[in-house]
This record gives sequence, structure tokens and C-alpha cells, in this order.
Amino acid sequence: GAGVSQSPSNKVTEKGKDVELRCDPISGHTALYWYRQSLGQGLEFLIYFQGNSAPDKSGLPSDRFSAERTGGSVSTLTIQRTQQEDSAVYLCASSFALSGGLSGYEQYFGPGTRLTVT
Amino acid sequence: GQQLNQSPQSMFIQEGEDVSMNCTSSSIFNTWLWYKQDPGEGPVLLIALYKAGELTSNGRLTAQFGITRKDSFLNISASIPSDVGIYFCAGQPLFNAGGTSYGKLTFGQGTILTVHP
Repeated sequence: GAGVSQSPSNKVTEKGKDVELRCDPISGHTALYWYRQSLGQGLEFLIYFQGNSAPDKSGLPSDRFSAERTGGSVSTLTIQRTQQEDSAVYLCASSFALSGGLSGYEQYFGPGTRLTVT
Repeated sequence: GQQLNQSPQSMFIQEGEDVSMNCTSSSIFNTWLWYKQDPGEGPVLLIALYKAGELTSNGRLTAQFGITRKDSFLNISASIPSDVGIYFCAGQPLFNAGGTSYGKLTFGQGTILTVHP
């Protein structure tokens, strides 16, 4: 079946502009996560959505970052007033609900959006 | 917060050799996952481990969840050129009553594997 999809695959923007990154999770997955991966680094957790619960925003690096998930499916990560240090690959992942069993721990990733802030 | 130390940072091996990499944490994890990432792609799940002491295989890959719940290793046997990539361990910290640990995988820094034909 279809995996996690993200768009755009690449985004180049000027410093100070706002950007929106989109994630379509795997159908049937109720949990959705955003991570950031800087060059040569591991993945940094940003935000987590689970069903209708309040999202866990504890990983967002500043108030310029926000995310929403509409209808329990598609999610958009917004970065306002982009800075050069925001340049990274932004990865989205989805999983089944943890309440559904151990498979809820298994996160499946999209291909990422490479953001470059000039 | 939780930190994962993954080693080695990089490996250069000949095709056919076996590979071993490991991750250690400063705190207890209740799940260990191993991912592989190819250039320009997202990480792909290789193996998931849920119980201390658990040993799981997936083809030429074998991973174990350490007894102390603070470490895990991944072995690749008889490496082939397509094994090239970055391997990440990831851990799910022990769930706390506040629920804030839910869904937050902590990732190691990755092991870059190069396989020479």
C-alpha cells in the first residue's frame, strides 16, 4: 500500500519567509510525528499527534514552528520567518495508535522535505 | 533528556564481512528499533524489539534488546554492497504517567556503513 508521502521534496526559501511542509500519513495510522534531521545528524523530535488528543509540542525549537493536523489525517508543519539554522530535512512519520498494541511503536517515515534557507 | 550513544560512527568493510553496531542509553527504554536510511530517503524500519533479552532476525540482520534495557546491538552477516547506508538505533523511553513520552523516539547519531565490493 501507499506509504507516508511528503511535499514538497525540496524547498528553497529566503531568510524571513514562511514555509509550509505537508505530510500525508499511511491510511489507518492515527499517530503522526514530525522530526528534523540536520546534515550528518540523527533525528530530532519536533511534534506528535495522536487522534484527537492535544499534540505533544515539546520538541518544537521555537514559537516560529507550529503544526496542525486536520481531520486526523494530513498534517502541515509551518515555519515562520525562516532562519538559516532552520535548513534541514524535515521528516514525517506515522504509526498505529499505541493503544492498539506493540505495532504502535513502529513508526514509518516519509522521504522528507529538504529545506534550504538562503 | 534521554541520550543514545551509537557506535561506531562509521565502518568501512569488504563485501562478505560481518558487521556489528550498538547503542547504549543512560536510561531505560521499553522499545528498541533499528532503521536504515539511504541517501535522499527517509529511514526504513528494519527490526523492532520489545522485551529485554529479545533476539530477533530479519534475513541477514539480527538485533538484540539488552538485558539491562539500556542497550541494543545490530549485526549484519555476509554484507553486500546494497547494505551501504546509515543505520540508526531508536529507543522509546519508558512511558511516564504524564504521557509526554508517547511517540517520541530518541535516535542515535547513526552508523555510516560503506561496503567495498
